[in-house]
Amino acid sequence: AQTVTQSQPEMSVQEAETVTLSCTYDTSESDYYLFWYKQPPSRQMILVIRQEAYKQQNATENRFSVNFQKAAKSFSLKISDSQLGDAAMYFCAYRSGFQGAQKLVFGQGTRLTINP
Amino acid sequence: EAGVAQSPRYKIIEKRQSVAFWCNPISGHATLYWYQQILGQGPKLLIQFQNNGVVDDSQLPKDRFSAERLKGVDSTLKIQPAKLEDSAVYLCASSLVGRLARADTQYFGPGTRLTVL
Repeated sequence: AQTVTQSQPEMSVQEAETVTLSCTYDTSESDYYLFWYKQPPSRQMILVIRQEAYKQQNATENRFSVNFQKAAKSFSLKISDSQLGDAAMYFCAYRSGFQGAQKLVFGQGTRLTINP
Repeated sequence: EAGVAQSPRYKIIEKRQSVAFWCNPISGHATLYWYQQILGQGPKLLIQFQNNGVVDDSQLPKDRFSAERLKGVDSTLKIQPAKLEDSAVYLCASSLVGRLARADTQYFGPGTRLTVL
């Protein structure tokens, strides 16, 4: 079974600075997808960024980018120019590429605080 | 476009009582998911529907939990009888395409926070 581990329960960063959230995963599959979701106090999970395992290029979405190291099974999220609205729980998630196996396997989450 | 709707937002019950949650997915989304998120943990899949059929319910405690998706649209998740350890946020999500989709995104609702006393 696949597992996802986030080793940083909490992180904090000064507004406008850069922060990196860590995620490692364990799988024997070669085809899969990785995601970062943001969960603000409203509880709604919001997709931040996604990465297909077959793509070597790291995904980027505006101020959010990932460092995907397939051999090391590492998938970190970098947030540049941090804003107060970035404060939330961040979850790393894995999804198998096997057709029909679409459930997301989540890590424990990292609580990100932005200091003004 | 309206997002995933869930109700109620909060529910407090006594142990051994029953409770039901409702989810309305994004229009046209074939696949619907129910996740359980215990405080301090990431969400865990309880059940996945493809239209009105069950795809994966391997982690659903079937002795007390049940779910249905009549007509392939709305879904209800029921707990009967509830236990203290069922206190959690119950998240509903939906995605556009079904089993053949490789890259569809799951969109989440706001969740229902259940407290069992």
